[in-house]
Amino acid sequence: EIVMTQSPATLSVYRGERATLSCRASQTVSRNLAWYQQKPGQAPRLLIYGAFTRATDIPARFSGSGSGTEFTLTISSLQSEDFAVYYCHQYNTWPPGTFGQGTKLEIK
Amino acid sequence: EVQLVESGGVVVQPGESLRLSCETSGFTFDDYSMHWVRQPPGKGLEWVSLITWDGGSSFYADSVEGRFTISRDNSRDSLSLQMNSLTTEDTAFYYCVAERKRIWDYWGQGTLVTVSS
Repeated sequence: EIVMTQSPATLSVYRGERATLSCRASQTVSRNLAWYQQKPGQAPRLLIYGAFTRATDIPARFSGSGSGTEFTLTISSLQSEDFAVYYCHQYNTWPPGTFGQGTKLEIK
Repeated sequence: EVQLVESGGVVVQPGESLRLSCETSGFTFDDYSMHWVRQPPGKGLEWVSLITWDGGSSFYADSVEGRFTISRDNSRDSLSLQMNSLTTEDTAFYYCVAERKRIWDYWGQGTLVTVSS
């Protein structure tokens, strides 16, 4: 089983600043990597798939990069509504694969 | 508008059974593979089960293999999960998720299953 490790577990950032979240796979997943945002009491929401493609209606301040085993989600100029938990998910293995443990993005 | 609405989550005792449902609308249901993903309160996400668009194949996480059965009714745009021999480890929010071409587009709001004596 591919293990996905996200870092940091918690990230404190000021509004308006940039946030960089990391996700590492224990073996290559090519670009079969997605990012989700989850707010309290809500379901996860797809942000990025294919490592860098934004899902429908996702603002341009969200960007994904990486391939193989190292991936990054960058949120430029954080807005209040961006503070949430973020999960990476590899789907290179099928049936689908594994989620990271999440990064909580909080207001500093 | 796309909607996935899960139902059936209740409090049950260990060893009991439960059936979850997911009613969908707003997209072409039989174009999508369907998943169940669960999340224990305050914890991370765990994939549970997958059924292909035509119901021809299904897959399960090791943790539920032999106890859970996924099914779908394309005539009713609905998905189900039969859960047997429940344990406290199965306590979680259960989400139904629609996937097309490896893109997990649509998620329901979840239904809470609590297994407790």
